[in-house]
Amino acid sequence: SQKIEQNSEALNIQEGKTATLTCNYTNYSPAYLQWYRQDPGRGPVFLLLIRENEKEKRKERLKVTFDTTLKQSLFHITASQPADSATYLCALDTGGGNKLTFGTGTQLKVEL
Amino acid sequence: GAGVSQTPSNKVTEKGKYVELRCDPISGHTALYWYRQSLGQGPEFLIYFQGTGAADDSGLPNDRFFAVRPEGSVSTLKIQRTERGDSAMYLCASSPTGGRARRELFFGEGSRLTVL
Repeated sequence: SQKIEQNSEALNIQEGKTATLTCNYTNYSPAYLQWYRQDPGRGPVFLLLIRENEKEKRKERLKVTFDTTLKQSLFHITASQPADSATYLCALDTGGGNKLTFGTGTQLKVEL
Repeated sequence: GAGVSQTPSNKVTEKGKYVELRCDPISGHTALYWYRQSLGQGPEFLIYFQGTGAADDSGLPNDRFFAVRPEGSVSTLKIQRTERGDSAMYLCASSPTGGRARRELFFGEGSRLTVL
């Protein structure tokens, strides 16, 4: 069956450390993968898109990797801040660009 | 407005009633999506519009759910004979283009539906 798995347990880290979130998928061959941030009671907000032929993408303190052999994406936030606390969702192109399928999300808590 | 607008933000209804949820996308965005999100889960795809037509409605759970976008802008998600299991956050998103342009989605703040 097709699955997108993110760590369902909350990730707690100390301010200033690097947070690493994982997205694993099975039985998909996505042309691209996206990461979104979602705050409680709000809609998701786009962060980064990485294509199947790209290994790594960076934006300010964010870095995303995409390994199509391992079927895995890693999402890193360096120098984390309490304001980074949120749920982070990965999403795969599963319909020829017409459909994004989301993982369940991982809640990140950055503590002082 | 600059962003995707969804109304109502909260809707409480009784089992068996009819509900309409409205989405006003970003001006000029041709692609429009509806997702449903339950607590602790990721958004679940319902339907995708390119212009006025539903290009992919494979996510609609059953025939009680229907969506329209008659003029290629505002969309309405319609739910007939609501059931308690329909309770969720309904999210609308738009994008400048659809298909292989591989653009990000711009989400609204959602309509929270509670069926008593």
